[in-house]
Amino acid sequence: ILNVEQSPQSLHVQEGDSTNFTCSFPSSNFYALHWYRWETAKSPEALFVMTLNGDEKKKGRISATLNTKEGYSYLYIKGSQPEDSATYLCAFKGLRNQGGKLIFGQGTELSVKP
Amino acid sequence: DAGITQSPRYKITETGRQVTLMCHQTWSHSYMFWYRQDLGHGLRLIYYSAAADITDKGEVPDGYVVSRSKTENFPLTLESATRSQTSVYFCATQRHVQETQYFGPGTRLLVL
Repeated sequence: ILNVEQSPQSLHVQEGDSTNFTCSFPSSNFYALHWYRWETAKSPEALFVMTLNGDEKKKGRISATLNTKEGYSYLYIKGSQPEDSATYLCAFKGLRNQGGKLIFGQGTELSVKP
Repeated sequence: DAGITQSPRYKITETGRQVTLMCHQTWSHSYMFWYRQDLGHGLRLIYYSAAADITDKGEVPDGYVVSRSKTENFPLTLESATRSQTSVYFCATQRHVQETQYFGPGTRLLVL
């Protein structure tokens, strides 16, 4: 059974703080790692798809890094704002996963207080 | 451009009834997925489809049936609804295996 772990489960920060969280995944048979942002009562929105070891992606104040050899990815948010409050999901796709099947982590719930 | 739509958005039904949740996409994406959102489990894959007439089980397929006769539609049927199937159901599409998945707005289902 493939396991995708995210930590911490939840995070409370003040506006302006920078924060980061972790996604751990199987390091063998890696194909891709996805990050999604999921606001309450909405549907998940894609942030990044990462495929190469050492990859770094950026979207505004959010960036992500990938280490496929050790099986982890970090998501960073610089200068958090209240509108960043959401659950951040990572999802792993392995070489043996049929089709586009993703294995999701349970998410990190971020709350940013003004 | 509607993208991906789900209907109904909200549904209340009774134990034992058959319920069908609809998912429709306008992008002609090859892959389509059904997930359920449960506390403590995050998103769990129910079924997926790589193309019309090709479907396969995900992590939690029991009690569900899918079909995909046309690329744009991927209905999910609960054959005999149970209370444990109370959840929010998300449909998603994906153009290619290397690309991101796009999620529909979700259907909130309550089984009494």
